[in-house]
Amino acid sequence: QLQLQESGSGLVKPSQTLSLICAVSGGSISSGGYSWSWIRQPPGKGLEWIGYIYHSGSTYYNPSLKSRVTISVDMSKNQFSLKLSSVTAADTAVYYCARTGGTAGPLQYWYFDLWGRGSLVTVSS
Amino acid sequence: QSVLTQPPSVSGAPGQRVTISCTGSRSNIGAGYDVHWYQQLPGTAPKLLIFGNSYRPSGVPDRFSGSKSGTSASLAIAGLQAEDEADYYCQSFDSGLSVYVFGAGTKVTVL
Repeated sequence: QLQLQESGSGLVKPSQTLSLICAVSGGSISSGGYSWSWIRQPPGKGLEWIGYIYHSGSTYYNPSLKSRVTISVDMSKNQFSLKLSSVTAADTAVYYCARTGGTAGPLQYWYFDLWGRGSLVTVSS
Repeated sequence: QSVLTQPPSVSGAPGQRVTISCTGSRSNIGAGYDVHWYQQLPGTAPKLLIFGNSYRPSGVPDRFSGSKSGTSASLAIAGLQAEDEADYYCQSFDSGLSVYVFGAGTKVTVL
């Protein structure tokens, strides 16, 4: 059974870069034609989609975060990663990685069918 | 402020039926894009509950059902159980913002 697990720095200083990795186990990240997303949830608040990377390596980012976000994939390690630069306290959140399903159809119809447990990242000096 | 509007909370007694609305606009639900629903139990990650407006992933009880009409969608929970206490989020795509959007979430309380 496919599983996703986030890991990375739990505390980041303001203006620095947040880095997280999502390790995929129980299946290959390159099979099935899926894309792989990052989604975040500030404490006590709702969900915000950050971006995805397709199995081909192409990416699509939330326009509100695009200037600060980089998502990449390492097929050899079966994992994908998130970097968010110039962080502020507003970036404090639980960060989830998720598999994006429905990719046989147009991207506007995609959804998030498998989630990791989440990783809390706090931005503080 | 979320692009998709959900009621902050709904409640019901065990066995009752509750519905959660998700209201959008012509740039998202009204544009014909699918609505998907997620259940987030306390302290856990969201879980896909309904995709493509009304389809249940394997393992989701048929007590949960989804529908969509015009610029709105609904999630219904029939035969409410204590284990259904959770936050529920709707999700779609917004062509004006070019982003996947979520509702602010609805907390379901079993009385």
